[in-house]
Amino acid sequence: SQTIHQWPATLVQPVGSPLSLECTVEGTSNPNLYWYRQAAGRGLQLLFYSVGIGQISSEVPQNLSASRPQDRQFILSSKKLLLSDSGFYLCAMPQRGGASGELFFGEGSRLTVL
Amino acid sequence: AQTVTQSQPEMSVQEAETVTLSCTYDTSENNYYLFWYKQPPSRQMILVIRQEAYKQQNATENRFSVNFQKAAKSFSLKISDSQLGDTAMYFCAFTGTYKYIFGTGTRLKVLA
Repeated sequence: SQTIHQWPATLVQPVGSPLSLECTVEGTSNPNLYWYRQAAGRGLQLLFYSVGIGQISSEVPQNLSASRPQDRQFILSSKKLLLSDSGFYLCAMPQRGGASGELFFGEGSRLTVL
Repeated sequence: AQTVTQSQPEMSVQEAETVTLSCTYDTSENNYYLFWYKQPPSRQMILVIRQEAYKQQNATENRFSVNFQKAAKSFSLKISDSQLGDTAMYFCAFTGTYKYIFGTGTRLKVLA
């Protein structure tokens, strides 16, 4: 069965510090992968998606970046965090790995920037 | 650009009553999928119902049904016989090709 692992689950970081959130998936190969952020009043905002190793599409120009070093690994990073980066970050992939199926979500990473 | 709009930030309904959550979307694609997701306080995203745009018949899942109006680009969710466990944030979502776009959500509270 398909599963998504995210860590850390909770993170408190000072402004200006770096960030690395990791997402790994199991039960499928070459899945499309997504990073979403949920901030108050803005629903789920699509940040990045990837259709394969090394392929990253950015939806929101900001100080975040994403990488896909392996087929089943998707990393969200920042060199210098801003207060506005606080939020709940969700990694997701479609059922059966391709487009159009329902999205499965990880349990999320809650980031607080102080 | 593809957009999803949920115009009701918060709603409440009495237990056992029926409530309808609204969603509109904008796209130039002809083949796409629409979803409603539920996010309870645990924050886990749970699929409630899915609709393929090429199907004219509205999807139903037990107490949950949709009213899909393709020409109007409307996709509302009806919850019948509301239960306390239905209290959650509900998100409408759209996908055409690779991207999944979500609305801002409707916070639903079921009152005892």
